Amino acid sequence: EDQVTQSPEALRLQEGESSSLNCSYTVSGLRGLFWYRQDPGKGPEFLFTLYSAGEEKEKERLKATLTKKESFLHITAPKPEDSATYLCAVAYNTDKLIFGTGTRLQVFP
Amino acid sequence: GAGVSQSPRYKVAKRGQDVALRCDPISGHVSLFWYQQALGQGPEFLTYFQNEAQLDKSGLPSDRFFAERPEGSVSTLKIQRTQQEDSAVYLCASSLRDGSSYEQYFGPGTRLTVT
Repeated sequence: EDQVTQSPEALRLQEGESSSLNCSYTVSGLRGLFWYRQDPGKGPEFLFTLYSAGEEKEKERLKATLTKKESFLHITAPKPEDSATYLCAVAYNTDKLIFGTGTRLQVFP
Repeated sequence: GAGVSQSPRYKVAKRGQDVALRCDPISGHVSLFWYQQALGQGPEFLTYFQNEAQLDKSGLPSDRFFAERPEGSVSTLKIQRTQQEDSAVYLCASSLRDGSSYEQYFGPGTRLTVT
């Protein structure tokens, strides 16, 4: 069964404490892997798309990487405003996205 | 530029009522998607359109759910005879789908509560 698993479910960090979020997937024929940020009461906000193993993308304090089985979202020196739920999704064969359940990140000052 | 907009933002319906949720995609975006998000979960696919054609409706939970996009722009998700299990946030997303990018951009969602 095609599946997307995110870990950890929740992560509490001190401001400035770098860490990584994991997204593993078991789909075949990956078309793309997507990272989104979701704040409470809002829709997911697009962050990155990764298409092939070895690809990396960066935006401010965030860096996303992709292997054949998983993706990591690295957060360097996080700030309280980085607190949100981070969602990973994959598209395979079709355009629809399969989402993981997300990682709830809290960054404390 | 304007993003994806959805209306209403909140809807309370009594069990058995019909509801209609509207989505205005980003101008020029070819593809439009509907997802359902339960509390604490990731969005789950419901259906998707390319222009006015509904290419995939495999995620619609029952025949009470119906979606349309008659002119290839605005879309409406209709739920007939609402049940309590229909309570969720309904998200709409659109995508340019120009052959090299598949990013989907989401609206703020409509929170449906069935009492």
